[in-house]
Amino acid sequence: GESVGLHLPTLSVQEGDNSIINCAYSNSASDYFIWYKQESGKGPQFIIDIRSNMDKRQGQRVTVLLNKTVKHLSLQIAATQPGDSAVYFCAENPGGGADGLTFGKGTHLIIQP
Amino acid sequence: SAVISQKPSRDICQRGTSLTIQCQVDSQVTMMFWYRQQPGQSLTLIATANQGSEATYESGFVIDKFPISRPNLTFSTLTVSNMSPEDSSIYLCSAADRVDEKLFFGSGTQLSVL
Repeated sequence: GESVGLHLPTLSVQEGDNSIINCAYSNSASDYFIWYKQESGKGPQFIIDIRSNMDKRQGQRVTVLLNKTVKHLSLQIAATQPGDSAVYFCAENPGGGADGLTFGKGTHLIIQP
Repeated sequence: SAVISQKPSRDICQRGTSLTIQCQVDSQVTMMFWYRQQPGQSLTLIATANQGSEATYESGFVIDKFPISRPNLTFSTLTVSNMSPEDSSIYLCSAADRVDEKLFFGSGTQLSVL
């Protein structure tokens, strides 16, 4: 995974707009990826996952894209709402599941009214 | 999805003391892990809690500092020993039904060491 930074990057979008949160992962052997949402004072909440045999997966208002060539993962949130304000983390599974997940730095998504 | 309960949810402790955090899952799970999240940062894996055997620690974390128990498939504890202010952090328990499945998280324990 990525090295841990001192500050989380921030993404500010207008309510109703679409947002894209990006993540670079480091381990070519990772075959499973997850996006989590973490609200203040809470534990991470599962949003969507994708396996390495796919390049796109859609959920309700969310889409995850996986580009294995450049080791890049993105989360698209459609028609953002105030409740989408949170920190978003990507996580990769470098050890085939038995070793836990490695988390990226996180992005703080702020929804402007 | 598993529901994970952690307690205490927060605590303020004195330097040199120890705190044990409990994690209870509402169903039997294969995998349980403990993470640390320092202020404003991402999650770092401390160890894998193995049922009936010693935990598997990540680089930088040792059993003497973070002893872990997992007596059965639904319960685990993490102890933060001989605490210093640098241990102030959120400690998170997580679990998965099977290997290679998504992890579910508890709400965390916010620890402040004075």
